[in-house]
Amino acid sequence: ELKVEQNPLFLSMQEGKNYTIYCNYSTTSDRLYWYRQDPGKSLESLFVLLSNGAVKQEGRLMASLDTKARLSTLHITAAVHDLSATYFCAPGWGGNKLVFGAGTILRVKS
Amino acid sequence: EAGVAQSPRYKIIEKRQSVAFWCNPISGHATLYWYQQILGQGPKLLIQFQNNGVVDDSQLPKDRFSAERLKGVDSTLKIQPAKLEDSAVYLCASRKETGATYEQYFGPGTRLTVT
Repeated sequence: ELKVEQNPLFLSMQEGKNYTIYCNYSTTSDRLYWYRQDPGKSLESLFVLLSNGAVKQEGRLMASLDTKARLSTLHITAAVHDLSATYFCAPGWGGNKLVFGAGTILRVKS
Repeated sequence: EAGVAQSPRYKIIEKRQSVAFWCNPISGHATLYWYQQILGQGPKLLIQFQNNGVVDDSQLPKDRFSAERLKGVDSTLKIQPAKLEDSAVYLCASRKETGATYEQYFGPGTRLTVT
């Protein structure tokens, strides 16, 4: 069974602090997606990581992929309240099926 | 470019009733997915279509769930009869066949409550 583990599942941060969300997966995958979901909303694509060593940055978020370790990270720099949301990672498998992690609920406190 | 459209946005039914959801993907996207997202969990794939053919329905509870995609565009997902554990958000997503990212674009979802 394909498994995706995210940790932490809940993260409460102070504004201005840095933190990293981890995504481990059980089977080789050559691509990984990060999505953001606001309460009551659908999923918004953040990053698509297509190869080992890929790193992408958008604003205060930076995502990386290590396919050999089956690990992706989402790093938050100098958090702001607007980043409060649930973040999902999803490795892609054959036919580009996605298997989602349980999600990390991020709350940024001022 | 218009996004993935879904309707209805909300539905409340009693257990053992039937319900249907509709999805219109982004124009030109050949692949369409239905996901079930239970509160507090990540989305789980129910079924994947390519054009009007089923690619993967291994996680679809076929005794009560059915889906079709006539003419390779719009899709409907039906539940009959509904159970309490079917309460969830049903998300439709689509992707185009070309391009390197194979990125999936999600609709707003239909929130189903079964009482």
